Amino acid sequence: NAGVTQTPKFRILKIGQSMTLQCTQDMNHNYMYWYRQDPGMGLKLIYYSVGAGITDKGEVPNGYNVSRSTTEDFPLRLELAAPSQTSVYFCASRREQPQHFGDGTRLSIL
Amino acid sequence: TQLLEQSPQFLSIQEGENLTVYCNSSSVFSSLQWYRQEPGEGPVLLVTVVTGGEVKKLKRLTFQFGDARKDSSLHITAAQPGDTGLYLCAGGRAGTALIFGKGTTLSVSS
Repeated sequence: NAGVTQTPKFRILKIGQSMTLQCTQDMNHNYMYWYRQDPGMGLKLIYYSVGAGITDKGEVPNGYNVSRSTTEDFPLRLELAAPSQTSVYFCASRREQPQHFGDGTRLSIL
Repeated sequence: TQLLEQSPQFLSIQEGENLTVYCNSSSVFSSLQWYRQEPGEGPVLLVTVVTGGEVKKLKRLTFQFGDARKDSSLHITAAQPGDTGLYLCAGGRAGTALIFGKGTTLSVSS
């Protein structure tokens, strides 16, 4: 069972570069989420989606964009990477409870 | 403002000891979830409690939801090195995304 798949697992970006973090789930879940996890700070919600075509901001959306054109995919876009966006990014999905998490993307901005 | 406060932030104990991790809030939640996260992986759900005063046991782990549904605790009996990890509590309310605490990092040495 694939569950929630995130790619890439690791990435190093230069300041000002852009990239897309991919997230796909094969469980037909309607809810999908993007979190960032910084040391000692827990999980902060960036964006979430309640279904295809619907997205909404979370707690820390600045510097990020998302789209949800299909039920399966929920990519996260960084347009102008900044050092403050160095973090581990987790995608999650659910129908009811619980949330199922991917294994994360470790992103460093240098 | 951190809606969910976890304590302690770090805990280092010997194999066989007992421990309790706390998750406190001034807000009421409809459900409280506990996750465990290992390095390089996403959080994995341990338990969900939904009723005030509810107690759930999962082998050596005992979870309790406060009567007022504002706080929760996780008690581990006879800790083992395999219990090492980051323990996260997350509060749920209808129609909103989960709110995560900052986590408790547990290290159990043999």
